[in-house]
Amino acid sequence: DAGVTQSPTHLIKTRGQQVTLRCSPKSGHDTVSWYQQALGQGPQFIFQYYEEEERQRGNFPDRFSGHQFPNYSSELNVNALLLGDSALYLCASSPKTAGQGIHMNTEAFFGQGTRLTVV
Amino acid sequence: GEDVEQSLFLSVREGDSSVINCTYTDSSSTYLYWYKQEPGAGLQLLTYIFSNMDMKQDQRLTVLLNKKDKHLSLRIADTQTGDSAIYFCAESRSGSARQLTFGSGTQLTVLP
Repeated sequence: DAGVTQSPTHLIKTRGQQVTLRCSPKSGHDTVSWYQQALGQGPQFIFQYYEEEERQRGNFPDRFSGHQFPNYSSELNVNALLLGDSALYLCASSPKTAGQGIHMNTEAFFGQGTRLTVV
Repeated sequence: GEDVEQSLFLSVREGDSSVINCTYTDSSSTYLYWYKQEPGAGLQLLTYIFSNMDMKQDQRLTVLLNKKDKHLSLRIADTQTGDSAIYFCAESRSGSARQLTFGSGTQLTVLP
């Protein structure tokens, strides 16, 4: 089992550009969440995808958008990059729901992250 | 103020016990988690505790939860140099599956 995989591992972009980060969840997981971790800080929740729809969203501007594909993999897109977007972007995946559409709070497994530097 | 608070630094001698503390504000938190992050790496889930429990033990790790005071602690027995890392406490809010709110992390340094 490959666990949660993210690509690329590192990325350098210029202010104003757009970036796409990718995440493949752990086998058997259907929910993907994205977090931003600035240097010296804890991760901040960006949004969560389940059944190809955004289900929860944190306090991030519309420049941050995402997508989930039928195979449960996910992309995070950031438009009009700012210097302050430089951070480690983490993807977390969680197991299939217990049934009846009810999410059970269980383990969330994280990938190694994508280090984004905006210059 | 912060939703989840942790002290920033902790140093212990190899072989001693480490206790990392965390306080949270949301009384509706359902699960509380401890994650470990080594330099340049992602987050490794160490353990978690459901809010109706007050203690959970897993090998060298003991989690204590005081729900009245909204205080969570992680005790690492027989701390080793490989335990040096940043430890994050996180809570999940009721009705928000897997949306975790993290503290700023505690840097644990294990001295030989």
